[in-house]
Amino acid sequence: GENVEQHPSTLSVQEGDSAVIKCTYSDSASNYFPWYKQELGKGPQLIIDIRSNVGEKKDQRIAVTLNKTAKHFSLHITETQPEDSAVYFCAASTQGGSEKLVFGKGTKLTVNP
Amino acid sequence: GAVVSQHPSRVICKSGTSVKIECRSLDFQATTMFWYRQFPKQSLMLMATSNEGSKATYEQGVEKDKFLINHASLTLSTLTVTSAHPEDSSFYICSAREFGTGTYEQYFGPGTRLTVT
Repeated sequence: GENVEQHPSTLSVQEGDSAVIKCTYSDSASNYFPWYKQELGKGPQLIIDIRSNVGEKKDQRIAVTLNKTAKHFSLHITETQPEDSAVYFCAASTQGGSEKLVFGKGTKLTVNP
Repeated sequence: GAVVSQHPSRVICKSGTSVKIECRSLDFQATTMFWYRQFPKQSLMLMATSNEGSKATYEQGVEKDKFLINHASLTLSTLTVTSAHPEDSSFYICSAREFGTGTYEQYFGPGTRLTVT
């Protein structure tokens, strides 16, 4: 089955800097890659996603890139703000197949003012 | 749009009792709902997939007789933890996929914190 590795486990940046979180997946059939932000005591919130027919997607300060050949995808946050501090999870699934999301282990991002 | 609610948000129960958690899609119909479990500082682990009107599909290692799932309508799925024990204490989160849109997104509920004493 699918296995998703996520790095780093913790990331600390200064306000205004960029943050990059990377994930790799094992199942070449995976075709949907969402990123979630989870604040303490709350459910995950979808912040951006990408499908396998696209190499890059951007939404304001957030972007995701996908390299299908290497089976890795990354989350890029620019101009970080203290409210970006949270745990971020990447996930992968096979839409049209099992459609189950397999999550990475999460990255705790801290943005220092 | 695409709001998922869970009730209760927190519950404390005694060992040996049963607890029911509700998951509702408030503004859309969900043919498929998923139940996850999350331990402190860990990732989300899928427990089961529930489809409206049919039996849930459980992940390997999840006891279906202990975690009863009922997806009775297109807007409601319930998870009942039967004969709860302290090791069942966890954060339970549901998600839902919208029916008929062809979208892939799963919308997550706010979670239910279960503490078994």
